[in-house]
Amino acid sequence: DAKTTQPPSMDCAEGRAANLPCNHSTISGNEYVYWYRQIHSQGPQYIIHGLKNNETNEMASLIITEDRKSSTLILPHATLRDTAVYYCIVRVGTSYDKVIFGPGTSLSVIP
Amino acid sequence: NAGVTQTPKFRVLKTGQSMTLLCAQDMNHEYMYWYRQDPGMGLRLIHYSVGEGTTAKGEVPDGYNVSRLKKQNFLLGLESAAPSQTSVYFCASNNRGSSKLYEQYFGPGTRLTVT
Repeated sequence: DAKTTQPPSMDCAEGRAANLPCNHSTISGNEYVYWYRQIHSQGPQYIIHGLKNNETNEMASLIITEDRKSSTLILPHATLRDTAVYYCIVRVGTSYDKVIFGPGTSLSVIP
Repeated sequence: NAGVTQTPKFRVLKTGQSMTLLCAQDMNHEYMYWYRQDPGMGLRLIHYSVGEGTTAKGEVPDGYNVSRLKKQNFLLGLESAAPSQTSVYFCASNNRGSSKLYEQYFGPGTRLTVT
């Protein structure tokens, strides 16, 4: 599995867009980019995933560069409830397997 | 649509006692998982199931047993609890599909303390 690199922490003003970067320069052609988050004392939460096209759902947007070596998770209007640790994971999506979290990015949304 | 629910939310056990944690999902998912999460350790897979009536061991199965008699339920049993099993336990589920096998939906967790 490709290794990912994320900044350890970020701040974002409430109401502004939060842009969380992830580098995955060794990603292979059949690996997807997945994003999860974990709010303190809660269960992990799946956010979004993509292969090469940009994706959007009710929670966030995922922008993947054309060479697929990096991606950005965008929370369009961050709220205090978005304060959490965000995990970028690169995996082949064709086998059931455990979710493996790296250190992630601790996002603090500031009033 | 409640998603994934776990019962109980909190429990304190004495060493040697037994208990069963219940996980239920209403999304008709085929696959279900039990994880434990300890500070600084990330998620560790205990057992998983790829369908009703089937179970398999994960990376830390010792001291735990599981059963999946109904598709929507996945039970985790501790036969003789030990202090090392003090942890937060998460259940998760997902469905088959080309990219969906890593799109897992987690329950709120059960906080277990063994004294």
